[in-house]
Amino acid sequence: RKEVEQDPGPFNVPEGATVAFNCTYSNSASQSFFWYRQDCRKEPKLLMSVYSSGNEDGRFTAQLNRASQYISLLIRDSKLSDSATYLCVVNMDSNYQLIWGAGTKLIIKP
Amino acid sequence: DADVTQTPRNRITKTGKRIMLECSQTKGHDRMYWYRQDPGLGLRLIYYSFDVKDINKGEISDGYSVSRQAQAKFSLSLESAIPNQTALYFCATSDFSGSYEQYFGPGTRLTVT
Repeated sequence: RKEVEQDPGPFNVPEGATVAFNCTYSNSASQSFFWYRQDCRKEPKLLMSVYSSGNEDGRFTAQLNRASQYISLLIRDSKLSDSATYLCVVNMDSNYQLIWGAGTKLIIKP
Repeated sequence: DADVTQTPRNRITKTGKRIMLECSQTKGHDRMYWYRQDPGLGLRLIYYSFDVKDINKGEISDGYSVSRQAQAKFSLSLESAIPNQTALYFCATSDFSGSYEQYFGPGTRLTVT
C-alpha cells in the first residue's frame, strides 16, 4: 500500500462548479499535512497547509480527518486557472521527510 | 530572478555517461533536496542536505551521488546513467524555521537513451 494515495483523476469539472478530492495516508503518526499545486511541466508550489481544525483560504478549504487518516481539498467556484495537478503531502516526523502523493489532475472546462 | 535555479533544464544523454545536474539558490536556506518525479508516482527523495557538512541518503539514492559545494549550491551526479533514470529532477530548499514548506527549482528533464 502506498504511504500517500490519491485518485489520479482527471477530474473534469465545469467552470464555477465545486470540486473536492481526498487523499489517504497510511501512517497514523503523521504530523503535518499539505496541499501543493503543480502546473503542467512546472515545479510544485505550496497551496496550503492543513490544520487539525480545518482551514480556508479564499475559495479553497482543507480538512483533516485523523481518525480515518485522510485529508481533503475543496475548491468552490472553480476557475479555468485552477486547472493543475494537486499533490497531497504528509510529514511523518519532526525532521525533514515529506511523503508525496502522485497527485490528482484537475481540468476546469469553460 | 528565480530563487532556485537548475541547470541544465533539459538533457539527453547516453547509457553509461556521467552527468551532473546543478542547483543554486538565493533564498539563504540551509536545507536542500534532490527529488525525481516519474509519471504516476509521487516525488521521491534522492538525497538531502541540512548544511554544507551534512549529506543524507533519501529513499532512492542508489546510482546517484551529491555534492554540497556551498550553502547555495547542491549538485546531483549520475555516475553511469541508465535508461530508468529518465525522469524529471527537482531541486528544493527549505529553511529551519519549523515550516515544512519547500521551494522548488524549475526542474531538469533528463532522458537517458
